[in-house]
Amino acid sequence: DSGVTQTPKHLITATGQRVTLRCSPRSGDLSVYWYQQSLDQGLQFLIQYYNGEERAKGNILERFSAQQFPDLHSELNLSSLELGDSALYFCASSTTGGFPNTGELFFGEGSRLTVL
Amino acid sequence: AQSVAQPEDQVNVAEGNPLTVKCTYSVSGNPYLFWYVQYPNRGLQFLLKYITGDNLVKGSYGFEAEFNKSQTSFHLKKPSALVSDSALYFCAVREDYGQNFVFGPGTRLSVLP
Repeated sequence: DSGVTQTPKHLITATGQRVTLRCSPRSGDLSVYWYQQSLDQGLQFLIQYYNGEERAKGNILERFSAQQFPDLHSELNLSSLELGDSALYFCASSTTGGFPNTGELFFGEGSRLTVL
Repeated sequence: AQSVAQPEDQVNVAEGNPLTVKCTYSVSGNPYLFWYVQYPNRGLQFLLKYITGDNLVKGSYGFEAEFNKSQTSFHLKKPSALVSDSALYFCAVREDYGQNFVFGPGTRLSVLP
């Protein structure tokens, strides 16, 4: 058990809908990362937050947004869903967010999104 | 920009034999290198990392990895493979003054009994 909690584990929805994925980082971790894992594109970095502020941005679509709340949990919002958004969405947390950052990531079990 | 290559999609090895999963990287600054393992329907689990110091890094479950700066490689190794090692393995890199981890495409390891 990594200590990172993601909900829901599974989600099935229709095209055009909006969903919210939730992540609670390990106790004490200030940094949260979101990744998308699909069969044909591997593990893609979406976005990182550190102590409530956006720290780095990857290949995140404009239809997707995220935030980190004062209690450090994070939410990833996916809107106007398309079939191609079906994937596993992982949250990971890390102790540090400063420079240099030597900490490893601890991953949650993922949220599997299926868009029909 | 950072990048990671794992040249083999699939590695097959007999139980008890040594295994190697290859990884090469490209970064502008100094690399921080990581290996993760993913079992079916699970999240990624951290195995080991290289930050600085000894080029041979030892990690969980008997795995080790060797950092080779001249070849920009960080190959994962284990002296004697177990069937339970069968999983998907990811190499990742982060620049020393960067925030983003970049993951390789993954290598599926199958250990045959």
